[in-house]
Amino acid sequence: SQELEQSPQSLIVQEGKNLTINCTSSKTLYGLYWYKQKYGEGLIFLMMLQKGGEEKSHEKITAKLDEKKQQSSLHITASQPSHAGIYLCGADRRGRIGNQFYFGTGTSLTVIP
Amino acid sequence: DVKVTQSSRYLVKRTGEKVFLECVQDMDHENMFWYRQDPGLGLRLIYFSYDVKMKEKGDIPEGYSVSREKKERFSLILESASTNQTSMYLCASSWDQNEQFFGPGTRLTVL
Repeated sequence: SQELEQSPQSLIVQEGKNLTINCTSSKTLYGLYWYKQKYGEGLIFLMMLQKGGEEKSHEKITAKLDEKKQQSSLHITASQPSHAGIYLCGADRRGRIGNQFYFGTGTSLTVIP
Repeated sequence: DVKVTQSSRYLVKRTGEKVFLECVQDMDHENMFWYRQDPGLGLRLIYFSYDVKMKEKGDIPEGYSVSREKKERFSLILESASTNQTSMYLCASSWDQNEQFFGPGTRLTVL
């Protein structure tokens, strides 16, 4: 079973609209990482959240980690075609050798001009 | 900026061939990782290394081996490629308990 569930699996929005992607775990998250992947390419690091209630923003992207540290959301304001791609959340597998991550299956975002 | 490079963007091999995928990072990171990415399955960890000559199995190590002779280089080896190893392979590196930095990926097709 997937340890990190992402929703929705895919999203198609009109340029200028806001959108939210969710990442949920059944376990407490020790570190939650958001990445963006352009189709057919590697992952680009966006943000890391560690503390319950933490919120970070970069340009028009805001990520939050809930107080229980089991759910994170990624919110994009006034979406643009450059936001298109696959968004993945990854979490720190605390307790294992090395900083191993496990990842959600990703959310595919299409922005229509 | 951290740079993680992979030897090939696209690779086509035949069943039974030995395949080497190379990954190099330039930030003196201790940890290096190999993942494969498949539709509907996300990223799955194949192997990782937390130091030179040290390696640990990830979630799906069967059919793969790795080599880390130098800190900056981590190689993934498919001893005898099979069609079910057709996939996107991603290398990553990190320092201690921090974010992982990814290479551009190698799309491997095994015929």
